Parts: sequence; structure tokens; C-alpha cells
Amino acid sequence: TQLLEQSPQFLSIQEGENLTVYCNSSSVFSSLQWYRQEPGEGPVLLVTVVTGGEVKKLKRLTFQFGDARKDSSLHITAAQPGDTGLYLCAGEPGNQFYFGTGTSLTVIP
Amino acid sequence: NAGVTQTPKFRVLKTGQSMTLLCAQDMNHEYMYWYRQDPGMGLRLIHYSVGEGTTAKGEVPDGYNVSRLKKQNFLLGLESAAPSQTSVYFCASSYLGLARNTQYFGPGTRLTVL
Repeated sequence: TQLLEQSPQFLSIQEGENLTVYCNSSSVFSSLQWYRQEPGEGPVLLVTVVTGGEVKKLKRLTFQFGDARKDSSLHITAAQPGDTGLYLCAGEPGNQFYFGTGTSLTVIP
Repeated sequence: NAGVTQTPKFRVLKTGQSMTLLCAQDMNHEYMYWYRQDPGMGLRLIHYSVGEGTTAKGEVPDGYNVSRLKKQNFLLGLESAAPSQTSVYFCASSYLGLARNTQYFGPGTRLTVL
């Protein structure tokens, strides 16, 4: 059982479509991070959300931290082929750091 | 700045062989980490270090040892490799601890144990 479950696991969409990726847990997190990983490379941090209910925007990407700080979502508007990659949420509920199971996104031109 | 570098990039081992993965960072970061990445499992923390001369266990430490003799280097050792250790290994570093601080990752080492 993974501490951070992401859904969907795989997502293939056409360029221009919108999508949402979810990161869920039964544990409470003081903060959650989202990373993007491209093939053959290490993950790169996109954002850190700290406050319950917080919403952060990064161009066409919108990140939200759940009110109870147990979940988070990533919404992409008008997806582009450059958004293709593995999206990972991550956080530290206690004294260990965990990554989510990942969502592999493919945006088809 | 090179950031975080890992050596080697690829390696094939036979069951029972040993090897050491080297991670180096030039950002003067205190914290360094070793992860393994397997399909459908995300990244799992193996060991980490909060400073030179210190190490601590992560989520999946069994079968691995680490050393941080110099601040810029973090070594991951496999004393007797097993097929279950076939994975992609990532090293990362951060200025402060996890959770709210940015981790910078290396390019990864793809290890196959036959």
C-alpha cells in the first residue's frame, strides 16, 4: 500500500484538452510538493503547497492543496506536447519523505 | 555548476556481486538522498544524510549501505546484489531538509542485476 496514491496512473490526451491529476492519502501533510520527470532525467520541482485550501498557479498549471491537507490536485489547461512527462506528488507526513505512485501524461500533437 | 552528478549511468551486475554508486553535488547542500524508482511505485527513499559524517535509513534501506565522508559526496553500496535491486537509482540534494525545500536530482543510474 502506497502512502500517496495518484490517479490516473496513465493519461493520454490531445493537445488543447484540459486534465486533472489527483494525489490522495489518509495521512495529514504539513506540505505537499509536485514534481515533473521527463524520460531519462531526474524529477524537477514544480511547486510546494503549504496551507490547507491553498491554490497556486504556474502558467497553465493550477495546484490545489486540500482543506484537510490529505490530498492535492494538479489541473492543466490547454495541454501542450511539452507537458508530457511523469508527474509526482511528494510529502512528509511524519519523519519520512514519500513520493506518490506517479501519473504518466502523454499529450498528442 | 554541474548540479548533481551520478556515476555510473548504467551498470549490469550478476547476483552476489558488489558495487558502489557515486553521487556528487557542487551546491554546498547539507542534505543528500538516495532513491530507487520502480514502475508504478514512484520513488522510494533508501538512505539519506543530513550532513557530513551522518547517515539515516529511509523507507527501503535493506540490502544497501551508504557513506558521507565528504560533504559533496554520497555513496550508495550494494554488498551482494540481488535481482530485486534491479531499478533506476536517483541521488538528490537539498540545502535544508525535505518537505518544504527543493530537492535537486541527478540524472539517475540504471542498474540491472542478473
